[in-house]
Amino acid sequence: GAGVSQSPRYKVAKRGQDVALRCDPISGHVSLFWYQQALGQGPEFLTYFQNEAQLDKSGLPSDRFFAERPEGSVSTLKIQRTQQEDSAVYLCASSQNLGVGYTFGSGTRLTVV
Amino acid sequence: GDSVTQMEGPVTLSEEAFLTINCTYTATGYPSLFWYVQYPGEGLQLLLKATKADDKGSNKGFEATYRKETTSFHLEKGSVQVSDSAVYFCALILTGGGNKLTFGTGTQLKVEL
Repeated sequence: GAGVSQSPRYKVAKRGQDVALRCDPISGHVSLFWYQQALGQGPEFLTYFQNEAQLDKSGLPSDRFFAERPEGSVSTLKIQRTQQEDSAVYLCASSQNLGVGYTFGSGTRLTVV
Repeated sequence: GDSVTQMEGPVTLSEEAFLTINCTYTATGYPSLFWYVQYPGEGLQLLLKATKADDKGSNKGFEATYRKETTSFHLEKGSVQVSDSAVYFCALILTGGGNKLTFGTGTQLKVEL
């Protein structure tokens, strides 16, 4: 597609509920990143894929967070047993050429109540 | 670790005023530097970049020069418009040392008539 597409745009979850956030990167982009942006803060790195391989997951805050990209295209970020501190905007970005900047999606705003 | 420090906002200017948003960085290697802009309700967009010392990135009237001696990448624009109102993020990628963007906390710019 023309840009990075994320769905849903907004998600409200009850505490303890599992959620799944989807990212469709730009076609042909090898690299895919997930970031978490808390209100009033800059995005914080969560995890990075090159094709289907998850090369860096050092930013995932706990084992409740899990990401996958099984066919090297669409990626899903799953959060189990959501907590209030998980409330944030989750941004996905993709890139064809590392180091020259990424294209970001509009994000999914997750609110845990 | 690598980090980016930006001036705190909000910055409020009158239309046609001169803009400077300060950004300094700390990195163990030789980073590439970026400015991203986030308009209300939208995702992050790459504004400009510089990949080595003394490079100047420019786009849409905005400029920033990579100053290795002062570890800075200040964003400037000679005459701002109301449509420039947004949040601006300074970021770096450590060349050869990882693929993730490290962001500053963002600076909100408000331009008034």
